Amino acid sequence: GQSLEQPSEVTAVEGAIVQINCTYQTSGFYGLSWYQQHDGGAPTFLSYNALDGLEETGRFSSFLSRSDSYGYLLLQELQMKDSASYFCAVRDPDSGYSTLTFGKGTMLLVSP
Amino acid sequence: DTEVTQTPKHLVMGMTNKKSLKCEQHMGHRAMYWYKQKAKKPPELMFVYSYEKLSINESVPSRFSPECPNSSLLNLHLHALQPEDSALYLCASSQDLGRGEQFFGPGTRLTVL
Repeated sequence: GQSLEQPSEVTAVEGAIVQINCTYQTSGFYGLSWYQQHDGGAPTFLSYNALDGLEETGRFSSFLSRSDSYGYLLLQELQMKDSASYFCAVRDPDSGYSTLTFGKGTMLLVSP
Repeated sequence: DTEVTQTPKHLVMGMTNKKSLKCEQHMGHRAMYWYKQKAKKPPELMFVYSYEKLSINESVPSRFSPECPNSSLLNLHLHALQPEDSALYLCASSQDLGRGEQFFGPGTRLTVL
């Protein structure tokens, strides 16, 4: 089995930096993904970390520590359009790692 | 083409109706997925197809019937649904199974009356 914990809501102002944490408990682990979903829209892939360390893609970075079963998504220079839900996801060992299990999601609210 | 398309965008159906949702991708992906998503909840996996064969059925009621006519198309046939089946139905694809990156379609917003 597996479980993922992430905060339900985070608020920040435009131009700020925000970090969304994800801790996981799994019987096995291959990697941590992050997805963004705007209200009424589809999830969009942001990043995938299989190894420890920081991956940077523009204003977004994702970090993984396998020893701590922990990762985070870092959003810099926040913009209003970053207001969305953010899901962490792991490959599910119960399916032979062939599918993703999503966390409950973090709603990010960016204010002016 | 890096897009997954889904039709229709919205669907309203009665409990006795039969309808189908369609999904298409032309990225050469060999794995395709159906998810159900309720408001404020994460996507919940329903079915997985790999190389056009049903790989995983997450104990979904038989009123949902998936079909993969070819490597680019995925259908979800609906029959005798219940109001609690109202949700956003998402199709996704990935290069193959076990990828951290999946490409999602825009979804079909289904309302069952």
